[in-house]
Parts: sequence; C-alpha cells; structure tokens
Amino acid sequence: GESVGLHLPTLSVQEGDNSIINCAYSNSASDYFIWYKQESGKGPQFIIDIRSNMDKRQGQRVTVLLNKTVKHLSLQIAATQPGDSAVYFCAERGIGFQKLVFGTGTRLLVSP
Amino acid sequence: DTAVSQTPKYLVTQMGNDKSIKCEQNLGHDTMYWYKQDSKKFLKIMFSYNNKELIINETVPNRFSPKSPDKAHLNLHINSLELGDSAVYFCASSQGIQGSSPLHFGNGTRLTVT
Repeated sequence: GESVGLHLPTLSVQEGDNSIINCAYSNSASDYFIWYKQESGKGPQFIIDIRSNMDKRQGQRVTVLLNKTVKHLSLQIAATQPGDSAVYFCAERGIGFQKLVFGTGTRLLVSP
Repeated sequence: DTAVSQTPKYLVTQMGNDKSIKCEQNLGHDTMYWYKQDSKKFLKIMFSYNNKELIINETVPNRFSPKSPDKAHLNLHINSLELGDSAVYFCASSQGIQGSSPLHFGNGTRLTVT
C-alpha cells in the first residue's frame, strides 16, 4: 500500500457534510489559481479555477473563494461523498510567470 | 480516450543506469510539462516545452534531459540514476503557456532507484 503522504494535513468529515479545504498562497502578484484532486495512484485532476479579478466561482458541488487581501484560497465541497476522498492541491501562477506553483496538499477523508 | 498517457507506470532500476519515460497527449495542446512529486506529495515543475521549444528549465541536474519530437510528445531521459531520483514523475499538457488554461496530468511514472 501507499505510505507516502501520511503526514499531509488531513481533514476528516462525514458523508453528507460540507468540506472546506484551505490554502495560503505565497505570491501577491499571482493572477490565476487552480484546485486539483489527486486520488491514489493517479495524476492530479482539475477541479476548478479562478482568476484574480474574481473572488468566488462555483462549479458542480464545489465553490472556490479567493481572498487576495490575506492571500487565501479555499475550496468548498458540498454534500461530501466517499468518492471525494483524495489529496487536494491548490496551485498559483504569478503574473509574467509561466509555471504553476503547487501548495503542499491536504488529504480529505470522507467516512460513510 | 486517454488524454495524457505516460509509460511505463512503474520503473524499478539500479543506481547508475539510464532510463527514459515517454509521454503523449491527444488533446491538441501545444505545451507539455514534466513535474516531480516527492514522498511528501510535493509537486514541482522540472521542464516545460511549448511547440517543441524548451521554455522552462528549473534547477534540475543535467542528468535529466527532456526531448520533444513533436508537440504531442515529451519524453524524459535520465542518465546515471541516483537514489534521490526515486519519485513519481508526472507529464502534463495545457493549451498555451499556462496563460488561462489548466494543466491536464497523466497518471504518473513511479521511479524506484535501488
């Protein structure tokens, strides 16, 4: 089994609860942010993105909030399901930079 | 209908060997990347190619050499493998130079150097 990543920050929730995963980003000049979900043995999968001219964006069961004042990004998952269990990463891109910089990741554990 | 595919999925080899990882994307994207994920799950970019031209080369040892024969392929060759090279390597692609589009990742190649 996979033993890596066990020391990631972990959020444990019950099925049906709403989950909030937080991310502090580093570059006040970043203009584009993405949330990714990574399941065991797979690559990161795009969930939702937001540009710096917005403070909220909604998708299906997910909402991303951006607070540029405190350089904070959050991902809200409504009615969390066991299939949402994964590691979640935020990523930022600085203006004029050509690369995405990833955060350290948060493990979400959903109990039935 | 795999979008970004990389081979092999697992690679176990001894120190000092040379190995390659291949990546192909069928999304029509013009930019491809290699990322390395360490044991703490930290993802860090290594290289990026746009239309077969190298545009990002992070501080990666020159034992790592990417090659892009066309914009749908980006391979990674590693010479003289070291224990510290053990990690999961992800290929990704996007349309444009990360301007306004997210990256699409492959499922990774787990490299174990013994």
